[in-house]
Amino acid sequence: KQEVTQIPAALSVPEGENLVLNCSFTDSAIYNLQWFRQDPGKGLTSLLLIQSSQREQTSGRLNASLDKSSGRSTLYIAASQPGDSATYLCACLTGTASKLTFGTGTRLQVTL
Amino acid sequence: DAMVIQNPRYQVTQFGKPVTLSCSQTLNHNVMYWYQQKSSQAPKLLFHYYDKDFNNEADTPDNFQSRRPNTSFCFLDIRSPGLGDAAMYLCATSRRGTFQSYEQYFGPGTRLTVT
Repeated sequence: KQEVTQIPAALSVPEGENLVLNCSFTDSAIYNLQWFRQDPGKGLTSLLLIQSSQREQTSGRLNASLDKSSGRSTLYIAASQPGDSATYLCACLTGTASKLTFGTGTRLQVTL
Repeated sequence: DAMVIQNPRYQVTQFGKPVTLSCSQTLNHNVMYWYQQKSSQAPKLLFHYYDKDFNNEADTPDNFQSRRPNTSFCFLDIRSPGLGDAAMYLCATSRRGTFQSYEQYFGPGTRLTVT
């Protein structure tokens, strides 16, 4: 059974800092890994998807890496802004039923 | 340009009164999912449809049912809501191929309150 863990659970940084969010998973037989953003009381917005054959994906100030062998992924956010404040979730797609297993998220606050 | 639409966005129902949540998509994806997310928890998969094939998660209560009348629409029925069913319900879609499944796209969610 896939288990996904995200550390830290919460993070507060001043505006302008670069930061890294961590995600680890127990079953390396994944199809892909997605990073999502969730604002309070809202749905999920997909940020980046990394296929199992890829090592990283970039979108603007975001860079996600994937190391299947060690069961780890990181989301790097450059030059953080107050608008980046949200909960960030990683999720792994595994199994023939294409089940997406989520971590519990990292709640990020970027302060002025 | 909305791709995955959920209605209503907020639903209040009484304890034990049946309720239906709706999801529609304009992506023509062959897979549709329903997730339940309680406060400060990760989304939990309830079930999904691969085309017309219904796939229930083993720990999804019988109180939860789903219908997919066509490719575009999927409904979540809660037959007798309890206080513990208050949550955000998220619908998602993806396109599944022969060897690989693809990115999941989520709707904005329906927040269910049970009084």
